[in-house]
Amino acid sequence: GDSVTQMEGPVTLSEEAFLTINCTYTATGYPSLFWYVQYPGEGLQLLLKATKADDKGSNKGFEATYRKETTSFHLEKGSVQVSDSAVYFCALSSAGGTSYGKLTFGQGTILTVHP
Amino acid sequence: DGGITQSPKYLFRKEGQNVTLSCEQNLNHDAMYWYRQDPGQGLRLIYYSQIVNDFQKGDIAEGYSVSREKKESFPLTVTSAQKNPTAFYLCASSTQRGRIGDQPQHFGDGTRLSIL
Repeated sequence: GDSVTQMEGPVTLSEEAFLTINCTYTATGYPSLFWYVQYPGEGLQLLLKATKADDKGSNKGFEATYRKETTSFHLEKGSVQVSDSAVYFCALSSAGGTSYGKLTFGQGTILTVHP
Repeated sequence: DGGITQSPKYLFRKEGQNVTLSCEQNLNHDAMYWYRQDPGQGLRLIYYSQIVNDFQKGDIAEGYSVSREKKESFPLTVTSAQKNPTAFYLCASSTQRGRIGDQPQHFGDGTRLSIL
């Protein structure tokens, strides 16, 4: 079955540091890939997505590139801010068979950014 | 503003009691989903519905039930058969237009359920 593996956290950085959160996946066919962010006490918000190989999703300074050859979708940001502190989830969506867009999530990575 | 509303934000259940979590959306989305979130485990799919009057079990449906009588509403009942119901429950919806799977899911702010 489909699965998503994220780097374990928590990740603690100083403001303006470079961020990478690794995400690899296992899936049949050609899934779409997503990064969601969750702030304390809230639901998930879509951060970015990519729907085919070599696509780059970007939003709010975050980027991730869909790498089919390495089955990866690593999240990066060049300079993090305190307001980026949150939990980040990598997810994939199957489009074939009976899966009907079902999302499979990684376990989440807690990011804390200090001033 | 369009969005998903979950209520209540906090809910307490006594042993042997059924409780119902509300989820309403005004995004005109066909598909709706219920997830359970436990610390360090990500989100797990409980039930989903792609159309009114139809729904499918997800990965952890035991002890839960749903209905989809209206497009806007997808309530989740946590029954007494669910032995470990303490968790954060998230409802989501998505459009079914275009290639299914490309469309992101939109989430509510969740309901936190605890056992008294």
